[in-house]
Amino acid sequence: QAVLTQPSSLSASPGASASLTCTLRSGINVGTYRIYWYQQKPGSPPQYLLRYKSDSDKQQGSGVPSRFSGSKDASANAGILLISGLQSEDEADYYCMIWHSSVGVFGGGTKLTVL
Amino acid sequence: QITLKESGPTLVKPTQTLTLTCTFSGFSLSTSGVGVGWIRQPPGKALEWLALIYWNDDKRYSPSLKSRLTITKDTSKNQVVLTMTNMDPVDTATYYCAHRDSYGYLGYWGQGTLVTVSS
Repeated sequence: QAVLTQPSSLSASPGASASLTCTLRSGINVGTYRIYWYQQKPGSPPQYLLRYKSDSDKQQGSGVPSRFSGSKDASANAGILLISGLQSEDEADYYCMIWHSSVGVFGGGTKLTVL
Repeated sequence: QITLKESGPTLVKPTQTLTLTCTFSGFSLSTSGVGVGWIRQPPGKALEWLALIYWNDDKRYSPSLKSRLTITKDTSKNQVVLTMTNMDPVDTATYYCAHRDSYGYLGYWGQGTLVTVSS
């Protein structure tokens, strides 16, 4: 079982909100991790969006709009990237990442389509 | 302004060793908390974290690739080198290097270099 699992795709309409999940493997407690989110558009390297551990331990990437935000669902053992007021430019691949035993681990990525 | 750039061969043969160099500017790898990592992405697939070296020469490797990877740094040249042995066609990917901040995020990435493994 992968350490981080993301849905492969998600579609949402312009102006709506999209909630992208990153589920941690059973036995790995989401509460103890900072979850990092990256956006990648075709032909470009990933760009850091934000990190979220708790409301008191979070950081927005430089220049990242406030409509991108992080949260957690402890009951689902998952990190969440919420994108509100979707715009066509938000169409991209989104990856979550954690540092697990000091080693980086990426999720499989979610392709977000805005249509 | 932090920049990173990957360099190395674009084509390697199966069983050969790949050597990639990340040349960076705008920061020092002797600054506490800083690291430089390598991440790869096969065509059309997800990101895969490979290795990271910290300012204090601490090194971390992906468990699945640890036996094949070596990461080193030359602080005076502002370079980090990744070697991967016994290359296979499944290792065909774009290889990125990235700056790791003391808070753990990879805030700056190189443009990546596509490495194809083929005979």
